[in-house]
Amino acid sequence: KQEVTQIPAALSVPEGENLVLNCSFTDSAIYNLQWFRQDPGKGLTSLLLIQSSQREQTSGRLNASLDKSSGRSTLYIAASQPGDSATYLCAVRPKGARNSGYSTLTFGKGTMLLVSP
Amino acid sequence: DAGVTQSPTHLIKTRGQQVTLRCSPKSGHDTVSWYQQALGQGPQFIFQYYEEEERQRGNFPDRFSGHQFPNYSSELNVNALLLGDSALYLCASSSSSGQQFFGPGTRLTVL
Repeated sequence: KQEVTQIPAALSVPEGENLVLNCSFTDSAIYNLQWFRQDPGKGLTSLLLIQSSQREQTSGRLNASLDKSSGRSTLYIAASQPGDSATYLCAVRPKGARNSGYSTLTFGKGTMLLVSP
Repeated sequence: DAGVTQSPTHLIKTRGQQVTLRCSPKSGHDTVSWYQQALGQGPQFIFQYYEEEERQRGNFPDRFSGHQFPNYSSELNVNALLLGDSALYLCASSSSSGQQFFGPGTRLTVL
């Protein structure tokens, strides 16, 4: 059974700092890995999706890396801003899930980030 | 494109009651998945519907059931509500690419 762990559970940093969020998964047979942002009581916003054949993806100040063999991914946020405050969730999709009928995601519990001005 | 929509936004029920939550997928998507997110936890997969049939199911009791309509919209029904069913219920839709897009969720409170 796939298990996803995110460390740390919570993180508080001053504005402007660079930071790294960690995600690990127990079964390396994944199709892809996705990072989401969730504001309190809201739905999920997809930030970055890394296919199993890729090593990293970048979007603006965000960079996500994937080391499938070791079961690890990191989300790097550069020059953090108060607007980055949210919970960040990591999710993996199982390998062999090429059809939409098998595209379920397994999530970690998330890292709650607070960026203070 | 309105994206994935869910209704209602919030719902308050008492123990033992039944509830129905609704989801309309993103345009062009034919698959709907439902997730339960308890406070402080990551979303947990409930089930997934494709071609009006349940394709996969997570570790949830039979009190949780669903339906998909010909227009691909979906309902999640929960019978005999328990206090522990209080959570944010998320709907996600996907197409053949499999990438899931999430709705804003329905916050269910069971008193």
